[in-house]
Amino acid sequence: DTAVSQTPKYLVTQMGNDKSIKCEQNLGHDTMYWYKQDSKKFLKIMFSYNNKELIINETVPNRFSPKSPDKAHLNLHINSLELGDSAVYFCASSQGSGGRPQHFGDGTRLSIL
Amino acid sequence: DQQVKQNSPSLSVQEGRISILNCDYTNSMFDYFLWYKKYPAEGPTFLISISSIKDKNEDGRFTVFLNKSAKHLSLHIVPSQPGDSAVYFCAARGLQGAQKLVFGQGTRLTINP
Repeated sequence: DTAVSQTPKYLVTQMGNDKSIKCEQNLGHDTMYWYKQDSKKFLKIMFSYNNKELIINETVPNRFSPKSPDKAHLNLHINSLELGDSAVYFCASSQGSGGRPQHFGDGTRLSIL
Repeated sequence: DQQVKQNSPSLSVQEGRISILNCDYTNSMFDYFLWYKKYPAEGPTFLISISSIKDKNEDGRFTVFLNKSAKHLSLHIVPSQPGDSAVYFCAARGLQGAQKLVFGQGTRLTINP
């Protein structure tokens, strides 16, 4: 009965590869988010979708592309992985946007070799 | 330019005593503030929030205080329990209707028996 689930939990890969992280929520929320937690522990928003429409697109390299096939899913695809992409990526969801309390997944730890 | 700062990376408190976690912000347009709690290998979970029109909000053992003139908020936990040991993040929302939250870097709270 996990509310926000992300797969995989861990991802170890080589520089230059392409990888995807999947996220699904069963809360019936209409807004989903991707955050990156870097080595300094700051949680920074990358993208947000509301009813499958992109509403937040922070300054993120073009190598990162979110995709929302429906309002319960938000996937993150990363091309040409770089060392600096190593981080923990969190998916979250909320009902509506506007900073309402967001429910987070448990994170995906991405390590680039 | 980090707009939300938690200047104490860690805090250690005796069980049963009060824990006070602090957060400072720089943007006077923030109008809604939240506290999240995070256990290792899990996502942040929402704890308590406060609107800028209030200066205090209480929920059981947790109270958040907001001092707008000082651009400062604090989370009080009384009495502290071992299960409160976690990383606490404060977050702020921008203008009414703005979609994104800005997070601080977290404070690791340890409750000692």
